[in-house]
Amino acid sequence: KAGVTQTPRYLIKTRGQQVTLSCSPISGHRSVSWYQQTPGQGLQFLFEYFSETQRNKGNFPGRFSGRQFSNSRSEMNVSTLELGDSALYLCASSLDRGAEYGYTFGSGTRLTVV
Amino acid sequence: KNEVEQSPQNLTAQEGEFITINCSYSVGISALHWLQQHPGGGIVSLFMLSSGKKKHGRLIATINIQEKHSSLHITASHPRDSAVYICAGANFGNEKLTFGTGTRLTIIP
Repeated sequence: KAGVTQTPRYLIKTRGQQVTLSCSPISGHRSVSWYQQTPGQGLQFLFEYFSETQRNKGNFPGRFSGRQFSNSRSEMNVSTLELGDSALYLCASSLDRGAEYGYTFGSGTRLTVV
Repeated sequence: KNEVEQSPQNLTAQEGEFITINCSYSVGISALHWLQQHPGGGIVSLFMLSSGKKKHGRLIATINIQEKHSSLHITASHPRDSAVYICAGANFGNEKLTFGTGTRLTIIP
Protein backbone atom coordinates (compact mmCIF):
# COMPACT_ATOMS: atom_id res chain seq x y z
CA LYS A 1 0.00 0.00 0.00
CA ALA A 2 1.11 3.58 -0.58
CA GLY A 3 3.18 5.22 2.15
CA VAL A 4 2.91 8.66 3.64
CA THR A 5 3.26 11.29 0.92
CA GLN A 6 4.56 14.75 1.59
CA THR A 7 4.54 17.54 -0.97
CA PRO A 8 6.49 19.40 -2.06
CA ARG A 9 9.85 17.76 -1.33
CA TYR A 10 11.79 21.01 -1.51
CA LEU A 11 10.74 24.61 -1.15
CA ILE A 12 12.53 27.94 -1.11
CA LYS A 13 10.69 30.94 0.31
CA THR A 14 11.56 34.50 1.21
CA ARG A 15 11.35 35.96 4.73
CA GLY A 16 7.89 37.28 5.44
CA GLN A 17 6.12 34.96 3.03
CA GLN A 18 3.85 32.15 4.05
CA VAL A 19 4.01 28.48 3.09
CA THR A 20 1.66 25.50 3.06
CA LEU A 21 2.91 21.93 3.25
CA SER A 22 0.82 18.86 2.54
CA CYS A 23 0.77 15.36 4.01
CA SER A 24 -1.30 12.45 2.73
CA PRO A 25 -1.41 9.60 5.27
CA ILE A 26 -1.60 5.90 4.68
CA SER A 27 -5.12 4.87 3.71
CA GLY A 28 -7.13 4.16 6.85
CA HIS A 29 -4.86 6.14 9.14
CA ARG A 30 -6.74 8.90 10.92
CA SER A 31 -3.94 10.52 12.92
CA VAL A 32 -1.39 12.84 11.35
CA SER A 33 1.37 14.47 13.34
CA TRP A 34 3.92 17.04 12.24
CA TYR A 35 7.53 17.54 13.29
CA GLN A 36 10.27 20.08 12.65
CA GLN A 37 13.89 19.00 12.38
CA THR A 38 16.74 21.51 12.54
CA PRO A 39 20.47 20.99 13.13
CA GLY A 40 20.30 23.03 16.34
CA GLN A 41 17.12 21.74 17.95
CA GLY A 42 16.82 18.28 16.44
CA LEU A 43 13.34 16.83 16.01
CA GLN A 44 10.48 18.64 17.70
CA PHE A 45 6.78 17.90 17.80
CA LEU A 46 4.57 20.54 16.19
CA PHE A 47 1.00 19.21 16.42
CA GLU A 48 -1.20 16.20 15.86
CA TYR A 49 -4.58 15.92 14.19
CA PHE A 50 -7.14 13.17 14.52
CA SER A 51 -10.49 13.11 12.72
CA GLU A 52 -10.11 16.77 11.65
CA THR A 53 -9.42 17.97 15.21
CA GLN A 54 -6.15 19.14 16.66
CA ARG A 55 -5.56 16.74 19.50
CA ASN A 56 -2.10 17.78 20.69
CA LYS A 57 0.14 20.78 20.20
CA GLY A 58 3.84 21.42 20.77
CA ASN A 59 5.56 24.60 21.87
CA PHE A 60 5.64 26.58 18.67
CA PRO A 61 4.41 30.13 18.01
CA GLY A 62 1.00 30.77 16.52
CA ARG A 63 2.59 31.33 13.10
CA PHE A 64 2.58 27.57 12.81
CA SER A 65 -0.87 26.14 12.19
CA GLY A 66 -2.42 23.13 10.60
CA ARG A 67 -5.61 21.43 9.65
CA GLN A 68 -6.90 18.06 8.64
CA PHE A 69 -9.51 17.28 6.04
CA SER A 70 -12.24 14.65 6.07
CA ASN A 71 -10.06 12.30 3.99
CA SER A 72 -7.37 12.58 6.72
CA ARG A 73 -5.00 14.57 4.51
CA SER A 74 -3.33 17.30 6.50
CA GLU A 75 -1.75 20.62 5.76
CA MET A 76 0.49 22.78 7.86
CA ASN A 77 0.95 26.47 7.31
CA VAL A 78 3.69 28.79 8.44
CA SER A 79 3.00 32.49 8.13
CA THR A 80 5.47 35.39 8.20
CA LEU A 81 8.43 33.11 7.57
CA GLU A 82 11.66 33.69 9.47
CA LEU A 83 15.15 32.47 8.61
CA GLY A 84 14.97 30.15 11.60
CA ASP A 85 12.02 28.32 10.06
CA SER A 86 14.40 26.69 7.59
CA ALA A 87 14.11 23.03 8.44
CA LEU A 88 13.02 19.59 7.38
CA TYR A 89 9.31 19.21 8.11
CA LEU A 90 8.16 15.64 8.61
CA CYS A 91 4.73 14.22 9.03
CA ALA A 92 3.77 10.82 10.36
CA SER A 93 0.51 8.96 10.22
CA SER A 94 -0.98 6.40 12.57
CA LEU A 95 -4.17 4.37 12.86
CA ASP A 96 -5.05 6.19 16.06
CA ARG A 97 -2.69 6.93 18.89
CA GLY A 98 0.79 6.54 17.49
CA ALA A 99 2.18 5.90 20.93
CA GLU A 100 0.24 2.62 20.91
CA TYR A 101 -0.07 1.79 17.21
CA GLY A 102 3.19 3.13 15.86
CA TYR A 103 3.98 5.75 13.26
CA THR A 104 4.78 5.76 9.55
CA PHE A 105 6.80 8.76 8.48
CA GLY A 106 6.90 10.61 5.19
CA SER A 107 10.09 11.66 3.42
CA GLY A 108 9.73 15.24 4.54
CA THR A 109 9.61 18.70 3.00
CA ARG A 110 12.85 20.65 3.14
CA LEU A 111 12.04 24.33 3.54
CA THR A 112 14.69 26.96 3.01
CA VAL A 113 13.89 30.54 3.96
CA VAL A 114 16.14 33.18 2.38
CA LYS B 1 16.21 19.05 30.43
CA ASN B 2 15.46 16.64 27.63
CA GLU B 3 13.28 13.74 28.73
CA VAL B 4 15.13 11.38 26.40
CA GLU B 5 18.90 11.05 26.53
CA GLN B 6 20.74 9.08 23.89
CA SER B 7 24.33 7.88 23.62
CA PRO B 8 26.74 7.86 21.96
CA GLN B 9 26.31 10.85 19.64
CA ASN B 10 28.63 9.37 17.05
CA LEU B 11 29.74 5.80 16.52
CA THR B 12 32.15 4.45 13.91
CA ALA B 13 32.71 0.72 13.62
CA GLN B 14 34.10 -1.88 11.26
CA GLU B 15 31.81 -4.02 9.19
CA GLY B 16 30.74 -7.09 11.15
CA GLU B 17 30.97 -5.50 14.59
CA PHE B 18 28.18 -5.70 17.16
CA ILE B 19 26.64 -2.26 17.71
CA THR B 20 24.83 -0.93 20.78
CA ILE B 21 23.06 2.41 21.05
CA ASN B 22 21.58 3.45 24.38
CA CYS B 23 18.59 5.54 25.37
CA SER B 24 17.49 6.68 28.84
CA TYR B 25 14.16 8.29 29.45
CA SER B 26 12.27 10.01 32.22
CA VAL B 27 9.10 9.29 34.15
CA GLY B 28 5.93 9.72 32.13
CA ILE B 29 7.13 7.97 29.01
CA SER B 30 5.22 4.77 28.42
CA ALA B 31 6.56 3.62 25.06
CA LEU B 32 9.89 3.96 23.32
CA HIS B 33 10.32 4.18 19.56
CA TRP B 34 13.50 3.52 17.64
CA LEU B 35 13.79 5.36 14.33
CA GLN B 36 16.30 5.27 11.49
CA GLN B 37 17.06 8.30 9.36
CA HIS B 38 19.16 8.08 6.20
CA PRO B 39 20.75 11.04 4.41
CA GLY B 40 17.96 12.79 2.53
CA GLY B 41 15.81 12.89 5.61
CA GLY B 42 13.17 10.17 5.44
CA ILE B 43 12.55 8.37 8.72
CA VAL B 44 11.78 4.68 9.11
CA SER B 45 10.20 3.41 12.29
CA LEU B 46 12.18 0.36 13.43
CA PHE B 47 10.60 -0.65 16.73
CA MET B 48 8.01 0.39 19.25
CA LEU B 49 8.53 -1.01 22.74
CA SER B 50 6.69 -0.74 25.99
CA SER B 51 8.22 -3.86 27.54
CA GLY B 52 10.63 -6.70 26.83
CA LYS B 53 12.51 -7.23 23.63
CA LYS B 54 11.84 -7.18 19.89
CA LYS B 55 13.89 -8.54 17.01
CA HIS B 56 13.76 -7.83 13.30
CA GLY B 57 16.48 -9.36 11.20
CA ARG B 58 19.84 -8.19 12.56
CA LEU B 59 18.23 -5.53 14.74
CA ILE B 60 17.28 -6.12 18.36
CA ALA B 61 15.65 -3.61 20.70
CA THR B 62 15.29 -4.05 24.44
CA ILE B 63 13.68 -1.99 27.15
CA ASN B 64 14.03 -2.09 30.93
CA ILE B 65 11.01 -0.37 32.44
CA GLN B 66 12.41 -0.25 35.99
CA GLU B 67 15.66 1.38 34.89
CA LYS B 68 13.95 3.49 32.19
CA HIS B 69 16.52 2.41 29.68
CA SER B 70 16.39 1.02 26.17
CA SER B 71 19.05 -0.30 23.82
CA LEU B 72 19.20 -0.88 20.11
CA HIS B 73 21.61 -3.58 18.97
CA ILE B 74 22.79 -4.36 15.46
CA THR B 75 24.46 -7.70 14.89
CA ALA B 76 26.90 -8.30 12.01
CA SER B 77 26.83 -4.62 11.08
CA HIS B 78 27.01 -3.66 7.41
CA PRO B 79 27.82 -0.37 5.65
CA ARG B 80 24.14 -0.06 4.65
CA ASP B 81 23.36 0.25 8.38
CA SER B 82 25.09 3.66 8.31
CA ALA B 83 22.42 6.16 9.31
CA VAL B 84 21.25 8.27 12.21
CA TYR B 85 19.36 6.28 14.83
CA ILE B 86 16.92 8.18 17.00
CA CYS B 87 15.01 7.08 20.06
CA ALA B 88 11.76 8.81 20.88
CA GLY B 89 9.57 8.60 23.94
CA ALA B 90 5.81 8.59 23.82
CA ASN B 91 3.12 8.84 26.43
CA PHE B 92 -0.03 6.82 25.93
CA GLY B 93 -1.95 9.84 27.16
CA ASN B 94 -0.82 12.16 24.38
CA GLU B 95 0.96 12.12 21.06
CA LYS B 96 3.88 14.40 21.84
CA LEU B 97 6.87 12.33 20.84
CA THR B 98 10.02 13.51 22.61
CA PHE B 99 13.16 12.78 20.65
CA GLY B 100 16.72 11.98 21.62
CA THR B 101 19.49 13.82 19.84
CA GLY B 102 20.31 10.86 17.62
CA THR B 103 23.33 8.61 17.11
CA ARG B 104 25.21 8.94 13.85
CA LEU B 105 26.41 5.43 12.98
CA THR B 106 29.08 4.87 10.34
CA ILE B 107 30.06 1.34 9.37
CA ILE B 108 33.35 1.10 7.53
CA PRO B 109 33.77 -1.75 5.02
